[in-house]
Amino acid sequence: GAGVSQTPSNKVTEKGKYVELRCDPISGHTALYWYRQSLGQGPEFLIYFQGTGAADDSGLPNDRFFAVRPEGSVSTLKIQRTERGDSAVYLCASSLIAGELFFGEGSRLTVL
Amino acid sequence: RKEVEQDPGPFNVPEGATVAFNCTYSNSASQSFFWYRQDCRKEPKLLMSVYSSGNEDGRFTAQLNRASQYISLLIRDSKLSDSATYLCAQNSGYSTLTFGKGTMLLVSP
Repeated sequence: GAGVSQTPSNKVTEKGKYVELRCDPISGHTALYWYRQSLGQGPEFLIYFQGTGAADDSGLPNDRFFAVRPEGSVSTLKIQRTERGDSAVYLCASSLIAGELFFGEGSRLTVL
Repeated sequence: RKEVEQDPGPFNVPEGATVAFNCTYSNSASQSFFWYRQDCRKEPKLLMSVYSSGNEDGRFTAQLNRASQYISLLIRDSKLSDSATYLCAQNSGYSTLTFGKGTMLLVSP
């Protein structure tokens, strides 16, 4: 399909481990976003890329979280020294028009 | 204070009913607002964009009240398939969105 693709769909890891989540946006979408969503909450903004650069990373909760988009297409969200509180669904979205986001199905992260 | 606030619901309505949700926002500088629909354990999907006073698309009408800083979503002739969580969002930067927690709608036969 031509939608936003995220892998893995599910990831279970142990506290303290390193995790990478991948996002493949819709072809041609220059804007890419990472959000995370916990049960009963709305999506919480993490970081926004325009092309290869992070235009806004104000939502990253701390320095354990990092994201890259080296070629302006695929992005990877990296979480170091995972904590139980990091458990959530991590949503990636891309867009052509500001605010009109197309989300992937998300990566469900569970930290034991 | 949370930037975007919504009544979590659930709103329980029978098929065919008209239902409305409100969403209040705190960032008066926002120029654009959005309603997203999210089915259980699925990703959010854009339902409507609101750039001026309002927008209408079939059974769905969104209205923006800048003076009182809220947007509303009206659904007419509710269908069973309208059951979902409706997320309100405002732009909080050039391109980033701030979402509310969502309002759950349950349409029953």
